[in-house]
Order: sequence, then structure tokens, then C-alpha cells
Amino acid sequence: DAKTTQPNSMESNEEEPVHLPCNHSTISGTDYIHWYRQLPSQGPEYVIHGLTSNVNNRMASLAIAEDRKSSTLILHRATLRDAAVYYCILRGGRGGSNYKLTFGKGTLLTVNP
Amino acid sequence: DARVTQTPRDKVTEMGQEVTMRCQPILGHNTVFWYRQTMMQGLELLAYFRNRAPLDDSGMPKDRFSAEMPDATLATLKIQPSEPRDSAVYFCASAPLSAGANNEQFFGPGTRLTVL
Repeated sequence: DAKTTQPNSMESNEEEPVHLPCNHSTISGTDYIHWYRQLPSQGPEYVIHGLTSNVNNRMASLAIAEDRKSSTLILHRATLRDAAVYYCILRGGRGGSNYKLTFGKGTLLTVNP
Repeated sequence: DARVTQTPRDKVTEMGQEVTMRCQPILGHNTVFWYRQTMMQGLELLAYFRNRAPLDDSGMPKDRFSAEMPDATLATLKIQPSEPRDSAVYFCASAPLSAGANNEQFFGPGTRLTVL
């Protein structure tokens, strides 16, 4: 599986934007970039995913570098509820492994009031 | 609001006892996953079912773990006999099947298992 690299932790202030980086230099052409987050004492929840173009949804935006070797999850205005571990995951676009979510250690985001 | 449900939420048992964890996937979802989370290993996939058939259980210790889907509304994960190293939070997730299969997985709240 292609590997992702994320900072262990990041800190933000409430109401400010947060940019969570992810490096995936060995990404293949058919790999989708998925982001999940895990709030304390809860199961992971889907945030967003993309292939080549930037994506927006109600939770966040995903900015994908032109060479696809890195991406950034953007929370436009962090709230205390956004404090969680954020996982950047590559999923194969074809073949038997495309169902799999392989979680790394993720980035622990702390949001200060 | 459709959710994956898991029971029990917490289970404390003694080494050697059988443990059964249950999961009700979201209605209409035909792919079910079992994950385990520990401090040391993080989140790891144990097994995966599609249309109730096991497709990949390579992440599961075969000698003591078994996973089944008796029907479309119930998935079970059994450990027999349980050992202290099985202590973890076990998550079930479900997803709808689609042609691209690049769909969102919906996770349950987890079962926290403690084996003494």
C-alpha cells in the first residue's frame, strides 16, 4: 500500500483556519486520497476524498497538489468539536484492494478556545 | 439518521472466556468491516464481508477469532478463548456497494474489550 506521512500533532485556535498536510510521494495514478477523523471515544468518521481536483464539502476542503504527491485538508473555521485525530489514507481506485482503509498514526489536532 | 450500532459497548471478561461482539450495519449496506484499535498498533482491519460472504480475513488471528454474518442485519466477531492481548476497541463499519467502490465507510461506536 502507498504510504502517507502526516505530522504527529498540530494546534489551532478556535475560529481560525487549519491546514493539515499529508505527503504521499508514492501515490499511484488510480489512488484516491481520503481523509477520516476520529473524535475522542468515537469511531472514525469520513471527512472528504478526492482524486486530482480540489474538493469542497460541508465539513472541509481538500487541496491536492498538481503532482498529487501531497494534499492538504482545510478546516475553514476550527471549532472545539474539530479536535480529533485526522487520518490521510490512500485507497486504490481499481482492483481488490480498493475497499481497504489502512490507517496510519494520523495528526492529533488540538483546538484552543 | 442511519447509524451502525454495536453491542456491547463495553465488555470485561476473564482470560479463556468466549467473547461475542455484534454489529448491525446500516440498512442497505452490503459491505461490513471489522477493525481493531490499540495504542500500540493503531487501527487495523481484521476482516471484510461483501453480501455476507467473507472476502478478506487476513488481518484476523485464525486460531481464536471468527467473523460471520448470519444475515444482512447482523455481523458477529467471536474470540474463543480470549487473551489479555485481545484487549482493544473493536469497530464495525459498513458501506454501500457501488461500481467505483470508493465510497465512504460508516463506523460504529466500537466495543471496548478488556480481558483480565
